[in-house]
Amino acid sequence: ETGVTQTPRHLVMGMTNKKSLKCEQHLGHNAMYWYKQSAKKPLELMFVYSLEERVENNSVPSRFSPECPNSSHLFLHLHTLQPEDSALYLCASSQDYRESTDTQYFGPGTRLTVL
Amino acid sequence: GENVEQHPSTLSVQEGDSAVIKCTYSDSASNYFPWYKQELGKRPQLIIDIRSNVGEKKDQRIAVTLNKTAKHFSLHITETQPEDSAVYFCAASIDYKLSFGAGTTVTVRA
Repeated sequence: ETGVTQTPRHLVMGMTNKKSLKCEQHLGHNAMYWYKQSAKKPLELMFVYSLEERVENNSVPSRFSPECPNSSHLFLHLHTLQPEDSALYLCASSQDYRESTDTQYFGPGTRLTVL
Repeated sequence: GENVEQHPSTLSVQEGDSAVIKCTYSDSASNYFPWYKQELGKRPQLIIDIRSNVGEKKDQRIAVTLNKTAKHFSLHITETQPEDSAVYFCAASIDYKLSFGAGTTVTVRA
């Protein structure tokens, strides 16, 4: 599937490193999302972008910094992370964030391990 | 905010039997209820959804029911097959926010 892609698929980093996660959607959607998926917990919404404008920052620590240069690309910049930040980070997109019944399509995720 | 509870957390069924997963939500303003299936190491994929103006929806072996009064909705899988083994997530949507349940790990025994 090529609708929503994410790179890298796996990432191991130390607490002092700086890294970035990348998401790209090929569906012509206007909204993009970052979610955190931890074991045995519900998916947690982190950020929402609509046409490159951030519309939601769900009380996420500043060590996570999103960037949306255009409606097809979304980044998550990581710095000075903690071991508890280890999780699967999922990107998703939908046609229009204002339409609550729009389907969100997920990418394959980046498995992040913080040592 | 919206709170979605999902039960059971694990479910083991014999191949050919039915599986039922139940979710409750807290905010009566929720108007969209998708179900996602996530196989091991793969992305969550939408399998069925229901809107608040509909009580039941069916797609082949999968059906979803919604009780707005009681604020609960359920996923029914009939004639389960080994490829149905996965984690299933329910979700409820208000505005643009999807609130997810914690997931149900379904194992279909051959």
